[in-house]
Amino acid sequence: EPEVTQTPSHQVTQMGQEVILRCVPISNHLYFYWYRQILGQKVEFLVSFYNNEISEKSEIFDDQFSVERPDGSNFTLKIRSTKLEDSAMYFCASSGTGYTGELFFGEGSRLTVL
Amino acid sequence: AQSVTQLGSHVSVSEGALVLLRCNYSSSVPPYLFWYVQYPNQGLQLLLKYTSAATLVKGINGFEAEFKKSETSFHLTKPSAHMSDAAEYFCAVSPFSGSARQLTFGSGTQLTVLP
Repeated sequence: EPEVTQTPSHQVTQMGQEVILRCVPISNHLYFYWYRQILGQKVEFLVSFYNNEISEKSEIFDDQFSVERPDGSNFTLKIRSTKLEDSAMYFCASSGTGYTGELFFGEGSRLTVL
Repeated sequence: AQSVTQLGSHVSVSEGALVLLRCNYSSSVPPYLFWYVQYPNQGLQLLLKYTSAATLVKGINGFEAEFKKSETSFHLTKPSAHMSDAAEYFCAVSPFSGSARQLTFGSGTQLTVLP
């Protein structure tokens, strides 16, 4: 069964460092998303991406965040200068062309900022 | 604006007992509604979804949910709990129409199944 894969599964970084989280969405999907879950809190929407551009973003997704689809398979989230409060589980998701709202999620990348 | 409220951050049931996880939503337009499950150290997996067809929705692993517009609820049930059902369950909502595809999640309910 096709699945969304994310790397790394866990990354530890120092405050102020740049981090790139990588995702390989399901191959025929066209919509891509990043969500995050701070420990003990809700899963929160960060950004959606379609046709090589951001379609929606939340207020969390400020200038330190960026997304990119550098090739035909990867979808990345870059955090330019990490802060302690960026520590969270980051989930990538993708969905197909017919909108039923079903998002397929990866297993997440846990980011720990020290 | 949409929001989801899940009553009860922790629910414990005995194996074989009824599971009832509560979800209420608010939405300015008719929504799509979802239940996702998260097993330890895994991603979010779709259990079931309501997309304006039948109000009683059946999902995987014996779970079902009923959309009740008058109560703005979408509670998740399973007649008989199994140990393997222990996980965190998230209710989520997204707009029925329009270009928005983002999900708004509830805060989650941790289900414990006791032997």
